[in-house]
Amino acid sequence: GQSLEQPSEVTAVEGAIVQINCTYQTSGFYGLSWYQQHDGGAPTFLSYNALDGLEETGRFSSFLSRSDSYGYLLLQELQMKDSASYFCAVRTPRGQNFVFGPGTRLSVLP
Amino acid sequence: EAGVAQSPRYKIIEKRQSVAFWCNPISGHATLYWYQQILGQGPKLLIQFQNNGVVDDSQLPKDRFSAERLKGVDSTLKIQPAKLEDSAVYLCASSLSTGELFFGEGSRLTVL
Repeated sequence: GQSLEQPSEVTAVEGAIVQINCTYQTSGFYGLSWYQQHDGGAPTFLSYNALDGLEETGRFSSFLSRSDSYGYLLLQELQMKDSASYFCAVRTPRGQNFVFGPGTRLSVLP
Repeated sequence: EAGVAQSPRYKIIEKRQSVAFWCNPISGHATLYWYQQILGQGPKLLIQFQNNGVVDDSQLPKDRFSAERLKGVDSTLKIQPAKLEDSAVYLCASSLSTGELFFGEGSRLTVL
């Protein structure tokens, strides 16, 4: 089976940096994705890590350590619009589909 | 490029009634997924199609849920009979082989 753990809530102020961690236990692993979801909206893709290391896309970076079954999403220069839920998702060998974590609700304060 | 289309956006029914949701994926995307998202939780995979074949339906409650993808394009998800615990947002997603999922806006179901 698969299980993923994320902090349920994180709070930070505008302009700050925040890190959202994800640990996983899966039977098979192809990669780790991150998605952002605003209230009432659809999840939108942020990043995908198949190999160990850091991937940077603008203000967002994602890191993966396969040996530690651990990854994180780093958000820099936080803006109010970054207030949303963030989900990590493991790509599994079963159909190469994605198992999602419980999500982390990020609140950005002025 | 048009995104994933879903309908209806909202549906309210009473328990034991039936409901159907429709999804039109992004053109050319062979893989289609239906996820169930209960308020405050992450999306849970119900079924995955590759073209018009089922890849994974291990978490689909087959006594009440059914899904089909005719001609490998549009898909419908049906619930019959609905239970209170089926209240959720039903998300359709499609993808190419790259692994990025493109989600529709979802269909919000309330079962009374």
